Amino acid sequence: EDKVVQSPLSLVVHEGDTVTLNCSYEVTNFRSLLWYKQEKKAPTFLFMLTSSGIEKKSGRLSSILDKKELFSILNITATQTGDSAIYLCAPFRNSGNTPLVFGKGTRLSVIA
Amino acid sequence: DTAVSQTPKYLVTQMGNDKSIKCEQNLGHDTMYWYKQDSKKFLKIMFSYNNKELIINETVPNRFSPKSPDKAHLNLHINSLELGDSAVYFCASRKTGGAGNTIYFGEGSWLTVV
Repeated sequence: EDKVVQSPLSLVVHEGDTVTLNCSYEVTNFRSLLWYKQEKKAPTFLFMLTSSGIEKKSGRLSSILDKKELFSILNITATQTGDSAIYLCAPFRNSGNTPLVFGKGTRLSVIA
Repeated sequence: DTAVSQTPKYLVTQMGNDKSIKCEQNLGHDTMYWYKQDSKKFLKIMFSYNNKELIINETVPNRFSPKSPDKAHLNLHINSLELGDSAVYFCASRKTGGAGNTIYFGEGSWLTVV
């Protein structure tokens, strides 16, 4: 059975802080790992990571995958209140009709 | 244009009723999903469906059934609604194969059973 564990489950930081969110997984036939951000509505796509050790960046957000140790981290630097959201990770299997199984998410609250 | 659209967005109904939530995607995707997000915000897969197979999460009660009239639609039928069915239901889709494995979500349907 696939396992996805995110930590911490929730986090409160001040604007300007840097945060690191963790995602560890156990998935057979792993292909990629996806990160999503969910504010009030639907999750929105952030990153897809397929190769180990290659950092993906988008503005203040970056993410990296370690396929040997089976985890990924999402970093957010110089946090802003608009970063407050639930961050979800989901490993993706290399087979056709495969649902994404999400972790329970990390609820990030950034206070001014 | 909304890529994955769900209707209704909000639904309040009484216990015991039967209801449907519709989902349509205009992305040309061949696989669609239903997820349930409960009050603790845990996003849980319910069904995964393409034209070849239906994968059902075994924890989903058989009061829930997906119905797909064509590749662009996957509707969710719920019979004999219970209080615990209150949640946000998200439809999603993706195209199998290739490099683009990103899954796209609808805006969610907020179901409240009273």
